[in-house]
Amino acid sequence: DAKTTQPNSMESNEEEPVHLPCNHSTISGTDYIHWYRQLPSQGPEYVIHGLTSNVNNRMASLAIAEDRKSSTLILHRATLRDAAVYYCILTKPMEYGNKLVFGAGTILRVKS
Amino acid sequence: DGGITQSPKYLFRKEGQNVTLSCEQNLNHDAMYWYRQDPGQGLRLIYYSQIVNDFQKGDIAEGYSVSREKKESFPLTVTSAQKNPTAFYLCASSLQGPNQPQHFGDGTRLSIL
Repeated sequence: DAKTTQPNSMESNEEEPVHLPCNHSTISGTDYIHWYRQLPSQGPEYVIHGLTSNVNNRMASLAIAEDRKSSTLILHRATLRDAAVYYCILTKPMEYGNKLVFGAGTILRVKS
Repeated sequence: DGGITQSPKYLFRKEGQNVTLSCEQNLNHDAMYWYRQDPGQGLRLIYYSQIVNDFQKGDIAEGYSVSREKKESFPLTVTSAQKNPTAFYLCASSLQGPNQPQHFGDGTRLSIL
């Protein structure tokens, strides 16, 4: 399975933008880049995903490098509720369905 | 509201017992998944199912069993063969396809007495 590399932790001030990096140098052409986040004692929550082009939704933006070997999740204005573990995941078509391979993720701390 | 319901939230098991964790979804999703999470780590896939009456092993299926008799339900049994069952168990569902997000329940925390 293609692997992703993320910083163990990052810190941000409230209401400032946050850029969470992810390296995925072994990504293949059919792998989608997904981001999920998880609060303590809760299930992960889908944030955003993309294949080649940059993507925006109400939660965040995803910037994908031209060679697709890295990507950045952008939270435009961090709030205290954005403090969570953020997972960058590659998904690929399997014979039966799609598979999420989770790493350890990045712990985001937001200071007020 | 549509979503995934896992029950119970906390579960205790004695040595040598089988226990079954419930997962129900009303999102009309074909695909369902079970993951295990250990402290400070990411999720690992136990079993998944793309359609009723069919399921496949994930990365750590040993000591676990599942059934998929209904589209809405995907129960997970932790058998006595699972030597280290203490963990946080998460169920998810999705539409089919690699670009489809998975929707997760709030998990069941299993502990051994």
